[in-house]
Amino acid sequence: DVKVTQSSRYLVKRTGEKVFLECVQDMDHENMFWYRQDPGLGLRLIYFSYDVKMKEKGDIPEGYSVSREKKERFSLILESASTNQTSMYLCASRSVRQRYGRTEAFFGQGTRLTVV
Amino acid sequence: DAKTTQPPSMDCAEGRAANLPCNHSTISGNEYVYWYRQIHSQGPQYIIHGLKNNETNEMASLIITEDRKSSTLILPHATLRDTAVYYCIVRWGSSNTGKLIFGQGTTLQVKP
Repeated sequence: DVKVTQSSRYLVKRTGEKVFLECVQDMDHENMFWYRQDPGLGLRLIYFSYDVKMKEKGDIPEGYSVSREKKERFSLILESASTNQTSMYLCASRSVRQRYGRTEAFFGQGTRLTVV
Repeated sequence: DAKTTQPPSMDCAEGRAANLPCNHSTISGNEYVYWYRQIHSQGPQYIIHGLKNNETNEMASLIITEDRKSSTLILPHATLRDTAVYYCIVRWGSSNTGKLIFGQGTTLQVKP
């Protein structure tokens, strides 16, 4: 089974702290994604990496950066955490090697980040 | 990737079929329709996908209209455990650079 693991399930950080959210996948997937999810707003894409060292901004990249030095790991960085970054963060990975068009994304369990 | 439109919420009686619609009028010829669902406090999970033919698997059926501008996800005998947010997404099947954009989805409430 594909496993996408996020380093923390719950995290509390102070305003102004630098925060690292880590995501690791074990299926040699090329694509990795970071989303945040807020009530009433659905899943919004923050950043996307289509391969190692490749990244692309999603819909809401402001206040975030990412790092993909190794294929299995995709890190989301909050340079200076703010209270409006309190949210559920979800990581996903996806293979581009399709079988009958099937290239679904696999998600981690999420990290609920609270910035106080 | 084409944009999708779904109703924000739907109710369904337990044991009955749940039919969840999705409009994707700007879909192009090489784009697949994917459905995911998210049960409370979990990450989204893949349900089914299709290009132009109707598809069925152990979880659901997917009906795509002939013009491919809309589709319907069918849960044939909904249970309380099917209560979730359902997302319809349209994307290139073989693209390795395509973003995966989720809309707000449909919240399905299955009632006893």
